[in-house]
Amino acid sequence: QQQVKQSPQSLIVQKGGISIINCAYENTAFDYFPWYQQFPGKGPALLIAIRPDVSEKKEGRFTISFNKSAKQFSLHIMDSQPGDSATYFCAASTNAGGTSYGKLTFGQGTILTVHP
Amino acid sequence: DAGITQSPRHKVTETGTPVTLRCHQTENHRYMYWYRQDPGHGLRLIHYSYGVKDTDKGEVSDGYSVSRSKTEDFLLTLESATSSQTSVYFCAISLAGIGETQYFGPGTRLLVL
Repeated sequence: QQQVKQSPQSLIVQKGGISIINCAYENTAFDYFPWYQQFPGKGPALLIAIRPDVSEKKEGRFTISFNKSAKQFSLHIMDSQPGDSATYFCAASTNAGGTSYGKLTFGQGTILTVHP
Repeated sequence: DAGITQSPRHKVTETGTPVTLRCHQTENHRYMYWYRQDPGHGLRLIHYSYGVKDTDKGEVSDGYSVSRSKTEDFLLTLESATSSQTSVYFCAISLAGIGETQYFGPGTRLLVL
C-alpha cells in the first residue's frame, strides 16, 4: 500500500523557472515531512523538512507548502538552476505510539531536469 | 556521506546464493535502516535497528534478515537471492529516530542473475 503518492514522475523546467513537486498522504498520523534530493550515483540527502504545525517553510530557494486538511504537501524550487537537476523524494513519518523509530515512507520520486 | 560506508558497492550474484551487505558508520548513531530503491517505488524500508541487537521489520522484509552486533555495523542478508531482489540498497543512520535527519550511505548496486 503506497501511503505517500508523489507527482509528477518527471519534470522539465527552464533555468530561472519554478519547479513544483506535489505529494499526498493517507495516514493522518504522519507528523514529519522531509524532502530528499538525490544526485546520480549518490545516496539521498535531506533538503528541507516540515512539521504539520506550520503551513510553509522556506530555506533559500526551496519552500515546502503544507495543507493539513487536504493531506498534501509540495516542494517549490524558485529560480531553478541546472545544478538542481536531480531526483527528489518526499517522505513522511509518524511518532504515533512512540515506536516509529523514525521510519520513513517515501514517495515514488520525481526526476527534475533544469535546462540552461 | 556522513561517515557511512557500504560494502560491496557493486555485486553480481546468482539466484539461490546468500548475499550479505554491510553498512558501517563512524557517527555512533543509534538508529540504522536498510532501504531498497527501485524505479517507480522510491525507497522502501526493509529492516531497521534501534540499538545493538534491536531490530525490526520494515514494509518489504520478506527474504531479508539483518543483524547488528555492534553500534557501527548493520548487516543485511539475502538468504537466497532472487531476481526480484535486484536493486540498489541504501543504508541510512539517524541520531534520534523520529523527526531527525536520516543520513544515507552511497548505496550498493546488486544484480541477481
